[in-house]
Amino acid sequence: DGGITQSPKYLFRKEGQNVTLSCEQNLNHDAMYWYRQDPGQGLRLIYYSQIVNDFQKGDIAEGYSVSREKKESFPLTVTSAQKNPTAFYLCACSIDGDLAQYFGAGTRLSVL
Amino acid sequence: EDKVVQSPLSLVVHEGDTVTLNCSYEVTNFRSLLWYKQEKKAPTFLFMLTSSGIEKKSGRLSSILDKKELFSILNITATQTGDSAIYLCAVRETSGSRLTFGEGTQLTVNP
Repeated sequence: DGGITQSPKYLFRKEGQNVTLSCEQNLNHDAMYWYRQDPGQGLRLIYYSQIVNDFQKGDIAEGYSVSREKKESFPLTVTSAQKNPTAFYLCACSIDGDLAQYFGAGTRLSVL
Repeated sequence: EDKVVQSPLSLVVHEGDTVTLNCSYEVTNFRSLLWYKQEKKAPTFLFMLTSSGIEKKSGRLSSILDKKELFSILNITATQTGDSAIYLCAVRETSGSRLTFGEGTQLTVNP
């Protein structure tokens, strides 16, 4: 089945720890995105990538890092510099930048 | 800075009611406006609008864009409990593929 898969569904981070959220797609889409969603708020863009080996900062990139070594994978690392990481993280992809984005099921990150 | 404002932020209706959700925007170079429905986890795509005055329809849902007044509406007729969700509006500029989202409207449909 074609789709976009995020893992894990739930993740806990300890103080000072870096954690990595996985996003994999087999839709052969070029563009991939990471969003953060806080309660009562819409989605805010963290990073996005339009092609392999290239990515751009979104509106709230501080404390996060990404890589795009393969077309199908766009992992997000939440670093210890992100002081308020508790949120719902959504990954999306689109066949090109002009069409609709399709979302994964999300990862809920909490701080221990 | 680009801005997308949705209203109301929350709405409670009874089954069978008709609802209208609003989305206004301020972007420098508008390209398209998208509507998504988010029930529990992944937002699912509903409509993409690029031209003014052309209604897009899917079953009981419809949407239209007004590029002069910078807003869009999403209508849901004969609401059902399964329509309960957060409805998200997002706008894309011509300069890139990124979307700017509004806060969403939380719709609750009671039986």
